[in-house]
Amino acid sequence: AQSVAQPEDQVNVAEGNPLTVKCTYSVSGNPYLFWYVQYPNRGLQFLLKYITGDNLVKGSYGFEAEFNKSQTSFHLKKPSALVSDSALYFCAVRASHGNNRLAFGKGNQVVVIP
Amino acid sequence: GAVVSQHPSRVICKSGTSVKIECRSLDFQATTMFWYRQFPKKSLMLMATSNEGSKATYEQGVEKDKFLINHASLTLSTLTVTSAHPEDSSFYICSARGGGQARPLSTGELFFGEGSRLTVL
Repeated sequence: AQSVAQPEDQVNVAEGNPLTVKCTYSVSGNPYLFWYVQYPNRGLQFLLKYITGDNLVKGSYGFEAEFNKSQTSFHLKKPSALVSDSALYFCAVRASHGNNRLAFGKGNQVVVIP
Repeated sequence: GAVVSQHPSRVICKSGTSVKIECRSLDFQATTMFWYRQFPKKSLMLMATSNEGSKATYEQGVEKDKFLINHASLTLSTLTVTSAHPEDSSFYICSARGGGQARPLSTGELFFGEGSRLTVL
């Protein structure tokens, strides 16, 4: 079964500094990878996805993520963090074939310090 | 883009009453919808998968008689928390995966409702 690991509970970063949220995955076959963001008392908003093609994927709000097959990682990055980026971030994976259940990581709380 | 609407956003009820939460796909047909429960500072816990026109598939440990799910049409799924108790207080989120001609949905991307905060007194 597919699974996602988000090793850090909380990521603190100063405003204007680069932001990285780590994600590694496990899946049989080729992965479909997703990042979602959740603000307090809100649902999840889709940020970006990797399906195929370029390993570097660009998404909403200036976020990007790099698919690394050898390291089975899909880290989320933003070159310059904003205070408004403070939120809970979820990485998710599903298999491209077979079991299509979407597996979520436990989430990372990002705190951007003014 | 695909929009999923969830209602109500907040509900407070007395212990023993039942509460219904609606999840609607506004601009696409959702052949499959998912119901999640989220505890404070925790990840999403999948409760059940509902497919239009058939019975929901519940995850292990989720009481199907407690959490009734109905997916009667391609745009609406409902979750009813029956005889609610304080321990049922939580944030419930639905999501939808479409079918048919909606290309953004062909890769399994889920679209989420805004969530419903249930407080049982």
